[in-house]
Amino acid sequence: QVQLQESGPGLVKPSETLSLTCTVSGGSISSYYWSWIRQPAGKGLEWIGRIYTSGSTNYNPSLKSRVTMSVDTSKNQFSLKLSSVTAADTAVYYCARVRYPTYSSIWFDPWGQGTLVTVSS
Amino acid sequence: SSELTQDPAVSVALGQTVRITCQGDSLRSYYASWYQQKPGQAPVLVIYGKNNRPSGIPDRFSGSSSGNTASLTITGAQAEDEADYYCNSRDSSGNHLFGGGTKLTVL
Repeated sequence: QVQLQESGPGLVKPSETLSLTCTVSGGSISSYYWSWIRQPAGKGLEWIGRIYTSGSTNYNPSLKSRVTMSVDTSKNQFSLKLSSVTAADTAVYYCARVRYPTYSSIWFDPWGQGTLVTVSS
Repeated sequence: SSELTQDPAVSVALGQTVRITCQGDSLRSYYASWYQQKPGQAPVLVIYGKNNRPSGIPDRFSGSSSGNTASLTITGAQAEDEADYYCNSRDSSGNHLFGGGTKLTVL
């Protein structure tokens, strides 16, 4: 079955760019949507954005000015860059596959295990 | 508005039935999906679409929807069902929305 694994630095300095990669195994990354979701400690889930394997993207309006997502189908990976980070961006970051079979039905499955990113000097 | 609202906490006696709700205007047009999250773990999909369970999810979990409210029902709650539950849907712009989460306690 498809499995996802996040990777990247666990510590990022304020004002710098957070960079994470999600590696997809057990299946092809092609012809699916993929998302990033984050969760600050003790808080709820926040959708960051999604990317299709063509490169088409949708970002959370509240983060749009700082987010860039990309996909590398040759490596079965997709990536997240979040610029100008502050302590408020400290969170567990998850990647997930988006299932979007119809206009009215959409869900995330499976999810990666998550990776903690701390923003601190 | 583009928001999903959940009760912060709900409790249920062992073996009883509990309903967790999610309210939002987008739910009039789009189905909700539901996720279970236990401490230190990634969320797990439990309900999607009209009322579908992924493989491996017990049939005591079910979903329903009416108007602007989606519900997750656990019929015969077990101790292992104690967790945080999140609803998710989309808005008309294609953005995803998460509810604030409901902490379920099984007494």
